[in-house]
Amino acid sequence: GQNIDQPTEMTATEGAIVQINCTYQTSGFNGLFWYQQHAGEAPTFLSYNVLDGLEEKGRFSSFLSRSKGYSYLLLKELQMKDSASYLCAPNTGGFKTIFGAGTRLFVKA
Amino acid sequence: DTGVSQDPRHKITKRGQNVTFRCDPISEHNRLYWYRQTLGQGPEFLTYFQNEAQLEKSRLLSDRFSAERPKGSFSTLEIQRTEQGDSAMYLCASSSVDTGLLIGELFFGEGSRLTVL
Repeated sequence: GQNIDQPTEMTATEGAIVQINCTYQTSGFNGLFWYQQHAGEAPTFLSYNVLDGLEEKGRFSSFLSRSKGYSYLLLKELQMKDSASYLCAPNTGGFKTIFGAGTRLFVKA
Repeated sequence: DTGVSQDPRHKITKRGQNVTFRCDPISEHNRLYWYRQTLGQGPEFLTYFQNEAQLEKSRLLSDRFSAERPKGSFSTLEIQRTEQGDSAMYLCASSSVDTGLLIGELFFGEGSRLTVL
């Protein structure tokens, strides 16, 4: 079966660093996406990992361990506008991507 | 490029009625996806097309749901005999392999919100 686990909510302070973890079990695997979704808006692409290791893109980095079925999204220098839901989304093969329930991040001043 | 567009943005209907949503993907994107999202949950996969071919349909869907992409461009999602449990945001997304990623990222539309009374 397919299972994706990520924390429901996290709170962090402006300027800090936060790590959002995701564990997954899928029948097939062709890389893992992270998407950001602000309340009332559509998800937007943040990152994609297909090989093990860290991918850095500005303030956001994403890590993947295929053998452990584990990924994390690291957000540095948090800003108020980073308050959103972060969706862990493995691709299960055949161009199909499934989504976790999301981690709702609250950034406080 | 104007992005993925969906119509209508909001639909209120009575239980038992049929509804249809339309999605216009980013031009030249050959893959088109439909997802459903309820409050506090991530998008739930419904179906996807590569050009006009429907390659996969979720087993979670009953026969009341049908999707088409007749000419490999726009797509429609129809829900027959709606039930209150169908109330959700219906998201359309498109993708292409031309962005440099092994699997193209999804570009989502703003969604069509369905409320079944």
